[in-house]
Amino acid sequence: AQSVTQPDIHITVSEGASLELRCNYSYGATPYLFWYVQSPGQGLQLLLKYFSGDTLVQGIKGFEAEFKRSQSSFNLRKPSVHWSDAAEYFCAVAGYNNNDMRFGAGTRLTVKP
Amino acid sequence: DAGVIQSPRHEVTEMGQEVTLRCKPISGHDYLFWYRQTMMRGLELLIYFNNNVPIDDSGMPEDRFSAKMPNASFSTLKIQPSEPRDSAVYFCASQGTGVYEQYFGPGTRLTVT
Repeated sequence: AQSVTQPDIHITVSEGASLELRCNYSYGATPYLFWYVQSPGQGLQLLLKYFSGDTLVQGIKGFEAEFKRSQSSFNLRKPSVHWSDAAEYFCAVAGYNNNDMRFGAGTRLTVKP
Repeated sequence: DAGVIQSPRHEVTEMGQEVTLRCKPISGHDYLFWYRQTMMRGLELLIYFNNNVPIDDSGMPEDRFSAKMPNASFSTLKIQPSEPRDSAVYFCASQGTGVYEQYFGPGTRLTVT
């Protein structure tokens, strides 16, 4: 079965600094990969997804992620973080035609003024 | 569209009581998922339905948990009897066929005392 590892439980960055959140997946075939964001007391909102094609995908709120098959990674990036980006970020993986989506443990992002 | 609707948003109950959580998916979506989120275990898939039929309930923790989807616009997750370790946030999500994007509800925070 597929699985996801998010190595960083908590990251703190200064407002305006760049951000990279790490995600490694395990899946035997081409995965479907997702990043979701969860603000306190809210549900999860999809930031971006990768199914195939260009390995650099753009999402909402200025986020992007790059799929690297050789490293089994799908890291999330943002060039300049805003205070409103403080939230919990989840990476997820699913297989083709498989709705059994597996989520990572999440990375909590704190943004310093 | 109003998005995925869950009720109640908060539920406090005593151990041994029956708890029923409700979900209304986005109209036209034919997949519905129930998740549980805890600090210890993260986000876990409990069960999912396709066209109102349960497809995979392997994540349901034990027989005290049951889920139904009597029609395309309504699903319930029932816990009977409830225990303190069931305290968590329960999310419902829905998805359209071939879309692979799950839309999450705001969640129900359950506290069992």
